[in-house]
Amino acid sequence: AQTVTQSQPEMSVQEAETVTLSCTYDTSENNYYLFWYKQPPSRQMILVIRQEAYKQQNATENRFSVNFQKAAKSFSLKISDSQLGDTAMYFCAFISSGTYKYIFGTGTRLKVLA
Amino acid sequence: GAVVSQHPSWVICKSGTSVKIECRSLDFQATTMFWYRQFPKQSLMLMATSNEGSKATYEQGVEKDKFLINHASLTLSTLTVTSAHPEDSSFYICSANGQGNQPQHFGDGTRLSIL
Repeated sequence: AQTVTQSQPEMSVQEAETVTLSCTYDTSENNYYLFWYKQPPSRQMILVIRQEAYKQQNATENRFSVNFQKAAKSFSLKISDSQLGDTAMYFCAFISSGTYKYIFGTGTRLKVLA
Repeated sequence: GAVVSQHPSWVICKSGTSVKIECRSLDFQATTMFWYRQFPKQSLMLMATSNEGSKATYEQGVEKDKFLINHASLTLSTLTVTSAHPEDSSFYICSANGQGNQPQHFGDGTRLSIL
């Protein structure tokens, strides 16, 4: 069975600094997709970034980038130039190719400090 | 971009009442929708997969008779919490699948409070 682990329940970072959120997963499949979602206090689920397992290049979206290490089954999220609006719960998620069911990690609560 | 509308956003009702939550895909057809439950400060827990025109697939431990799911059209899935009790109070979120392995589109959630 696939599992997703986020080992950091809470983190904080100073505004304008960089922070990295960790995520590891376990699967025997070769084709899958990984995502980071942000859930602010409004509780909307907002897609931050996605990574296809077959792509070696790490995905980037403006201030957000990932470090995808397929062999190590690691998928960390780096947030550069942190902003107060980045304060939220962040969930790492896995979906295997051919199925549509997300497997979510337990989440990391990130607080950006002014 | 694709939008999923979830209604109502917040409902408070008495114990024993049945509550219906709607999830609509506004600009795309969704053959598959998902219903999640989220307790405070916890992750999303998948309750069931809703398939258009067929019975929903429930995750282990989720009571089918308590959480009725109907997916009668390609744009609408409903979750009915039957005879709700205080322990059913939670945040319920739906999502709809795009084409292929595109990211799911989430509704804004429904906060259910049973008194």
